[in-house]
Amino acid sequence: DGGITQSPKYLFRKEGQNVTLSCEQNLNHDAMYWYRQDPGQGLRLIYYSQIVNDFQKGDIAEGYSVSREKKESFPLTVTSAQKNPTAFYLCASSDRGAWDGYTFGSGTRLTVV
Amino acid sequence: GQQLNQSPQSMFIQEGEDVSMNCTSSSIFNTWLWYKQEPGEGPVLLIALYKAGELTSNGRLTAQFGITRKDSFLNISASIPSDVGIYFCAGHGRAQGGSEKLVFGKGTKLTVNP
Repeated sequence: DGGITQSPKYLFRKEGQNVTLSCEQNLNHDAMYWYRQDPGQGLRLIYYSQIVNDFQKGDIAEGYSVSREKKESFPLTVTSAQKNPTAFYLCASSDRGAWDGYTFGSGTRLTVV
Repeated sequence: GQQLNQSPQSMFIQEGEDVSMNCTSSSIFNTWLWYKQEPGEGPVLLIALYKAGELTSNGRLTAQFGITRKDSFLNISASIPSDVGIYFCAGHGRAQGGSEKLVFGKGTKLTVNP
């Protein structure tokens, strides 16, 4: 079955360390997105990519980085520059027009201690 | 940028009650979508609306695309405990610069008491 996979489900890191969250899709979608979710904050867009080797900053890109070397993969790195990295991170993908909406992964909960 | 106003922010209801939530926008959208997110999971698409005035049902869920294309509502009839979650509306329309991203509301958190 086609889908979008995020790993790991739970991630713990020490303050000051970079950490990379994985997102893989086999839906043949062109576009991929990363969102951050905090309680009561809804979904906030971090980065998105509409085509391989190209990506754009979202609303809260500071302290994050991404790459899009393959159509199937869109990893997110949370760097030590991110002031408050503890959150629930969601990856999504869509056909480029997004007319049928996004397909979301099941999320990664990152806790920085 | 474009924003969606989703209300209410939260709801506490008894099992069996009907639920209504809505989203409004200052901008016109071409597509309205409703998602449900269960605790610890990603949002899942419930209903997609593509035409102004369209009324679509999915089981106990009914959603409408407002005639002005600036609003949408979602109704849940005869709620059950498994309806618990956060419901998000999302609008799709060509944003500034031609980017075709979804715009999300902040969600309605639904609690159903048995």
